[in-house]
Order: sequence, then C-alpha cells, then structure tokens
Amino acid sequence: EPEVTQTPSHQVTQMGQEVILRCVPISNHLYFYWYRQILGQKVEFLVSFYNNEISEKSEIFDDQFSVERPDGSNFTLKIRSTKLEDSAMYFCASKGRVNTDTQYFGPGTRLTVL
Amino acid sequence: AQSVTQPDIHITVSEGASLELRCNYSYGATPYLFWYVQSPGQGLQLLLKYFSGDTLVQGIKGFEAEFKRSQSSFNLRKPSVHWSDAAEYFCAVAGYGGATNKLIFGTGTLLAVQP
Repeated sequence: EPEVTQTPSHQVTQMGQEVILRCVPISNHLYFYWYRQILGQKVEFLVSFYNNEISEKSEIFDDQFSVERPDGSNFTLKIRSTKLEDSAMYFCASKGRVNTDTQYFGPGTRLTVL
Repeated sequence: AQSVTQPDIHITVSEGASLELRCNYSYGATPYLFWYVQSPGQGLQLLLKYFSGDTLVQGIKGFEAEFKRSQSSFNLRKPSVHWSDAAEYFCAVAGYGGATNKLIFGTGTLLAVQP
C-alpha cells in the first residue's frame, strides 16, 4: 500500500539554524499539507499546497517558514531561523484528486531546537 | 470559528469492555468528519470518515462512529476493546470545497487498556 514518507525521523538543531524537513507524498496525489504537534498539544494545520502554490496557511506559518515541491516527488518544509518554540513533531500529509479524499499522513519528523 | 472538542483527555477501560470516545464539532457548513489514531512514535492512521449518507460509519479495527447533526457530535465506539487499541485518538473536521480541506483536530483522547 502506498504511503507518505518523511525524513529525517528526528532532527536536532541549534536555535537560529535553518532546517529542511522532507516528505515524499503518495505518487498520484495533488494536495499536500504540513501540520505540527507540539508535545502534549493537538495537531495544528500549518500550510496546504496545490498546483505548485500555497492554497492556505495558518497564522503559525510566518515568514520564517516556506514550502517547496522541488521535483515531482518531494515536498519540503523549510524553517529559516529556528526558535525554541519550533520544537515539535511535524507531519506531512497528502490527498488525492477530489474533495472527499482522505489525507494520508507520514510518520512525522521530530524537531528539537536547542 | 471551526473547532473540535474532545472532552475526555484520558480514558481507561478494561480489555473486552465497550468504548465510546466523544467528539463535538463546530462548523458552519456541511462537515467532513474523521477519526485518526496515533500509536506512540507513529504517524496518524485514519480509522474512519464521514462525508454524507448513512450516519453510522464503519471503520478499521472494528471501530464505528455515528454522526448526529442535531448534537454536533461524531462519537467513536467499539464494542470490545483489545489491548492493542491503547493509543491516542483524534477527531478532526474538514470543510467542503476549495483546494484546502485542511483538517482541524481536537486535543485528543489518550486510551489506556487494562488487562
């Protein structure tokens, strides 16, 4: 069964450093998402991406964040200058062609900012 | 504003007992409703979803959920819990239409299963 994959599984970085989190969505999917889950809190929407552009972003997704689909398979989330409060589990998700499709989630990348 | 409430943060049940996890949503239009399960260190796995039609939906692992529009609820049930069901359960709502259909999650219910 096709699945969403994410790398790395755990990333440790120093405050102020740039990080790139990588995702490989399911191959024929068209809608891509990033969510995050701070430890002990709920999963929060960050950004959605469709047709090579951001379709919606949350208040969390400020100028420090960017997303890119550099080729036909990868979907990346970049944090330019990490803060302590960016420490969280970051989930990538993808969805197929129609509104009623399900979002399939990857296993997540745990980001720890020191 | 769209929101999802899961009033039970932590529930403990005995193996073989029945289970009901509560979920209430606030959404101005026709909602799409989901239950996801997260095992420790794992991603989010879809248990079941409701888009339209029959208000009682069946999912994987023997779970079911009932959509009650009048109560704005989408409670998850299982008649007999297994030890492997211990996990965190998230209810989520998504809107119809548009390219986004972002998911709005509740705070989750952590299920513990006693032998």
